[in-house]
Amino acid sequence: DAGVIQSPRHEVTEMGQEVTLRCKPISGHNSLFWYRQTMMRGLELLIYFNNNVPIDDSGMPEDRFSAKMPNASFSTLKIQPSEPRDSAVYFCASRRQGAYTEAFFGQGTRLTVV
Amino acid sequence: KQEVTQIPAALSVPEGENLVLNCSFTDSAIYNLQWFRQDPGKGLTSLLLIQSSQREQTSGRLNASLDKSSGRSTLYIAASQPGDSATYLCAVEAAGNKLTFGGGTRVLVKP
Repeated sequence: DAGVIQSPRHEVTEMGQEVTLRCKPISGHNSLFWYRQTMMRGLELLIYFNNNVPIDDSGMPEDRFSAKMPNASFSTLKIQPSEPRDSAVYFCASRRQGAYTEAFFGQGTRLTVV
Repeated sequence: KQEVTQIPAALSVPEGENLVLNCSFTDSAIYNLQWFRQDPGKGLTSLLLIQSSQREQTSGRLNASLDKSSGRSTLYIAASQPGDSATYLCAVEAAGNKLTFGGGTRVLVKP
């Protein structure tokens, strides 16, 4: 299996622009998570899905952030409009739903908003 | 609210020495605890998962223990090598399928 695949790996955009991050989970995994990592705050859970349904989006910082999972093999995290404080590494992770299963992470998307 | 703490934030040891990494959590009602490794500019790699009913889990030179009642886990890495240099993070899963992460311990193994 290729693991969790994220794209793009790096994104540099200007403030105010729309940014879309993409994630393909591991086949067979039915839980998907979006995390953000910064030096100041560490790893923060933004939102997660079970069986393509958003379960908890309490970590989404503002209405500028939105996430979708139209099918079991694809998810997007969108920021519109982007701001410099959104600069971070965004990770997607997936796992089989259940209490004793490992979570697997993608390589992340490093977002820089200038 | 679950809080996960890892102390120290950074650790430097000579090659060959055993590594001891600590993780503590405030709410003992967890399903499992997972240890990850993160190399600079990379994603997280899962090392070990300990179920709440287990006391320890081993993989090669790695051994992780869990004391749920006291809210602590320890990751031991035997005979450290320079290739073990990385940041190690622990994460606990409680109700709701959420993983809550500690801040990580940055490890440097000097040749």
